[in-house]
Amino acid sequence: GQQVMQIPQYQHVQEGEDFTTYCNSSTTLSNIQWYKQRPGGHPVFLIQLVKSGEVKKQKRLTFQFGEAKKNSSLHITATQTTDVGTYFCAGPSGTYKYIFGTGTRLKVLA
Amino acid sequence: DTEVTQTPKHLVMGMTNKKSLKCEQHMGHRAMYWYKQKAKKPPELMFVYSYEKLSINESVPSRFSPECPNSSLLNLHLHALQPEDSALYLCASSQDWGEEANVLTFGAGSRLTVL
Repeated sequence: GQQVMQIPQYQHVQEGEDFTTYCNSSTTLSNIQWYKQRPGGHPVFLIQLVKSGEVKKQKRLTFQFGEAKKNSSLHITATQTTDVGTYFCAGPSGTYKYIFGTGTRLKVLA
Repeated sequence: DTEVTQTPKHLVMGMTNKKSLKCEQHMGHRAMYWYKQKAKKPPELMFVYSYEKLSINESVPSRFSPECPNSSLLNLHLHALQPEDSALYLCASSQDWGEEANVLTFGAGSRLTVL
């Protein structure tokens, strides 16, 4: 079945350093979503990418959808302690069905 | 109102108990979801209701029984659970399906412990 993998599984960075997580799907995706889950919290929607090669920015966060629409990345510039959490990508696998990636857990050391 | 409300926040139950998890949204969303999340794992889809009808059952054991009484409410009835069913149960809703309509809004979750 469809798989969505993320690397790295964990990342510890010093505050102010950059961070990138990569998402790879075994199948072509019509779109991809990104969610953030703070420790002890619930997933919160960040963004959706639809077009091949699309790049979107939200302040210090940059999201990219690959040309083949099978991979995506999230880059955070100059991390802050508020960026701590697990970042999930999610891709559709049929109507009303999103498959979540394995997640990347980010820790930011002050 | 842009929230999904779940109750209870925490639930401890024995293997012979019957309990229910409740979820409510007033955003006019037509799709509602139950996800199960184990520690350090991604959310796993269990059930989807669209327009108050069960659209997806991801081969979930019958000890979990979903119910959608109306377009704003979603319940998950629990009976004869096993300790391995202990997890965070997340309810989510989306406007519908399709570009821009399929964004998931999650509730805070119900943390279930089965003894």
